[in-house]
Amino acid sequence: GAVVSQHPSRVICKSGTSVKIECRSLDFQATTMFWYRQFPKQSLMLMATSNEGSKATYEQGVEKDKFLINHASLTLSTLTVTSAHPEDSSFYICSAWIREGGYTFGSGTRLTVV
Amino acid sequence: SQQGEEDPQALSIQEGENATMNCSYKTSINNLQWYRQNSGRGLVHLILIRSNEREKHSGRLRVTLDTSKKSSSLLITASRAADTASYFCATDSGGKLIFGQGTELSVKP
Repeated sequence: GAVVSQHPSRVICKSGTSVKIECRSLDFQATTMFWYRQFPKQSLMLMATSNEGSKATYEQGVEKDKFLINHASLTLSTLTVTSAHPEDSSFYICSAWIREGGYTFGSGTRLTVV
Repeated sequence: SQQGEEDPQALSIQEGENATMNCSYKTSINNLQWYRQNSGRGLVHLILIRSNEREKHSGRLRVTLDTSKKSSSLLITASRAADTASYFCATDSGGKLIFGQGTELSVKP
């Protein structure tokens, strides 16, 4: 149980375009979801926390106008990278809080901006 | 934001040997978790240790937690080539997970 499905797994886009990444909770309701970014050979950096029906809370240094997060339902959270540039190329992973101490992760999206 | 340091950054051992990874953190925590990540893939949850626990075991994994030193260690006994991966500690405080820098483990057959 407690599976988060993340799509797409890989995406290549042109510089200046926008890309949407989706995370769906398949068998539970995700009231809180987290978005992380991971550059090669580095750790996961928390970008933002989203709660269903309210605005996302962004970590310091993350541009909220560039990384749009929508958590309009209890089963879907989306991250849109707007006006993507090559430096946005990274591995993006979503996570959902399922219970105290319990988090489940999506399988990640490899974004390449060319 | 990053919670703290992990060491070593990279560890190379022979199959059958034990691997120990350390993690330090900065803030008070509710619990500390260890995750594994194969190259370019998602995360696999390995073990969770609560702030009031000092040691926990799961199969070949042994985790310790010293809240006075704000540190934790992960021991993998009798390592296998399939254990080759990156290992991350993550602290849970304030309802979000913050990851350490990670240790890249290579187990040679």
